[in-house]
Amino acid sequence: GAVVSQHPSRVICKSGTSVKIECRSLDFQATTMFWYRQFPKQSLMLMATSNEGSKATYEQGVEKDKFLINHASLTLSTLTVTSAHPEDSSFYICSARITGELFFGEGSRLTVL
Amino acid sequence: AQSVTQPDIHITVSEGASLELRCNYSYGATPYLFWYVQSPGQGLQLLLKYFSGDTLVQGIKGFEAEFKRSQSSFNLRKPSVHWSDAAEYFCAVGDYKLSFGAGTTVTVRA
Repeated sequence: GAVVSQHPSRVICKSGTSVKIECRSLDFQATTMFWYRQFPKQSLMLMATSNEGSKATYEQGVEKDKFLINHASLTLSTLTVTSAHPEDSSFYICSARITGELFFGEGSRLTVL
Repeated sequence: AQSVTQPDIHITVSEGASLELRCNYSYGATPYLFWYVQSPGQGLQLLLKYFSGDTLVQGIKGFEAEFKRSQSSFNLRKPSVHWSDAAEYFCAVGDYKLSFGAGTTVTVRA
């Protein structure tokens, strides 16, 4: 079964609203989680590293205030896309480091109208 | 800096035929290399990985990959392709912060 789960798998929102995506490690503790963004027909780009109990580390060019990441517990990291715009529409994938292995979630497709 | 190049954007192969997907990497030290598969609208599934040791790595679904340090390559192969192998394939390098190639789309024709 899945080790890492994302919710929601699909979300459609209006421009200007905020959207939260959850990434959960199931039955395992994950001190580190990673958030990736994938544009259509393109590869995955690392956005940020989420560490439990501390601030996330963002990759160069990623807006911290636009993409808020919270890793409040050892099993949950959240990505909030604030004041979403159509250009934020994308496929967002999380991964979790669990017992030395890297597991990916199913992904969340965000469409901003 | 670490990076990955997948030269082939799209490959079409007949069912039952062999498949080889190319991957070239750039990495400052001994690389950790991965191949992932992604079905449409889905997350990523690990096919295989190389950390050290035997340069020929066996993975799931009948896939294998060979690490060639001299060529900075980690090509993925499958002797006989099944229709269910149609998907997007990504090569990646890194430790836990992975850098992905652009991906290769595999189409399987009957």
